[in-house]
Amino acid sequence: DGGITQSPKYLFRKEGQNVTLSCEQNLNHDAMYWYRQDPGQGLRLIYYSQIVNDFQKGDIAEGYSVSREKKESFPLTVTSAQKNPTAFYLCASSIYEGVNQPQHFGDGTRLSIL
Amino acid sequence: AQKITQTQPGMFVQEKEAVTLDCTYDTSDPSYGLFWYKQPSSGEMIFLIYQGSYDQQNATEGRYSLNFQKARKSANLVISASQLGDSAMYFCAMREGRNNRLAFGKGNQVVVIP
Repeated sequence: DGGITQSPKYLFRKEGQNVTLSCEQNLNHDAMYWYRQDPGQGLRLIYYSQIVNDFQKGDIAEGYSVSREKKESFPLTVTSAQKNPTAFYLCASSIYEGVNQPQHFGDGTRLSIL
Repeated sequence: AQKITQTQPGMFVQEKEAVTLDCTYDTSDPSYGLFWYKQPSSGEMIFLIYQGSYDQQNATEGRYSLNFQKARKSANLVISASQLGDSAMYFCAMREGRNNRLAFGKGNQVVVIP
């Protein structure tokens, strides 16, 4: 079955620590995205990538970093510079072109501060 | 300026009744797509239905239909014959032709009661 796998499901971060969230897809999609969701809120775009070795900042990129070395993988690092990282993080992918192409989502990672 | 507006408070719906969720959008791009997603309490985002700006007919997908009023810039989701499993947050999102980013609204909470 094709889909998007996010791991871990739950993650705890200590003060001053960087943590990396994994996102893997086997849908052969070109584009991948990372979103942050705070309680009772919609999704806000952190970073997105349209092709391998290229990515763009979204609306709330400060304190986060990404890489796209392989088409299937788009890991997100939450750095110590992100002062309020507690949130639900969702990864998505889509076919690159076409306004009619939906984004498909993973099951998410819940990040909390210890 | 907010691109997607969802302002309804949480809704309680009787099982087997229909429910309409409001969504208004703002864009100057003539080519755009509108999407509705369902997010149950477990957190995953499930794609429900799509409406394109050039589509002549309202989109339907099983029990989901979209009341698309282009001149009013509204794309309301109608869920017919509500089921207990429809209890979730529902998000409206828009993808504009000039890029492949999705802008999300803040969501509508629906609780179906037996």
